[in-house]
Amino acid sequence: NAGVMQNPRHLVRRRGQEARLRCSPMKGHSHVYWYRQLPEEGLKFMVYLQKENIIDESGMPKERFSAEFPKEGPSILRIQQVVRGDSAAYFCASSPTRGKGDEQFFGPGTRLTVL
Amino acid sequence: DAKTTQPTSMDCAEGRAANLPCNHSTISGNEYVYWYRQIHSQGPQYIIHGLKNNETNEMASLIITEDRKSSTLILPHATLRDTAVYYCIVVNNQGGKLIFGQGTELSVKP
Repeated sequence: NAGVMQNPRHLVRRRGQEARLRCSPMKGHSHVYWYRQLPEEGLKFMVYLQKENIIDESGMPKERFSAEFPKEGPSILRIQQVVRGDSAAYFCASSPTRGKGDEQFFGPGTRLTVL
Repeated sequence: DAKTTQPTSMDCAEGRAANLPCNHSTISGNEYVYWYRQIHSQGPQYIIHGLKNNETNEMASLIITEDRKSSTLILPHATLRDTAVYYCIVVNNQGGKLIFGQGTELSVKP
């Protein structure tokens, strides 16, 4: 059973471009979470999605950031008009359900560098 | 979700037990204690979780005090590969997002 897959592992964008980060959850997992880790800082929750639904987006910046988890295919975190402050590691995690006892399995992360 | 307090850093000699404490004095009855670790910029890794009973798995043991206001993660025989930042997180029984604090940076030394 393959783990959580994220691609690309490294992404370089110039200011003003769009960044698309992909996350394929573990097989059988229908819950996806995105976290961001700024340089020298801790992990911060961004958004929690279930298939075709956003459950909790309390950690998402109000502008330029969006996330989706379609019925088919990976979850996508989209950052429009990137700025240098978006440079960070973005981690995706998945779980089979939301209930107690369900640990989250994390992917290796996407390192975004904005020039 | 309840807030947790952990020491910023700890050292441990290779082969010895590493005991990582966590205070969660405001924990409520439906909240679990979870432990994750992050090894040098990799994705966080789940270690163990518990509600009120002590728990053990192949990685670690979790000791929760009777009043549930604190817990200790025990790595019985620490190796160099256990050097990481360890996070103690309180999660309610609805699951959902994880709120990471600063964690404890554990350094296992030869």
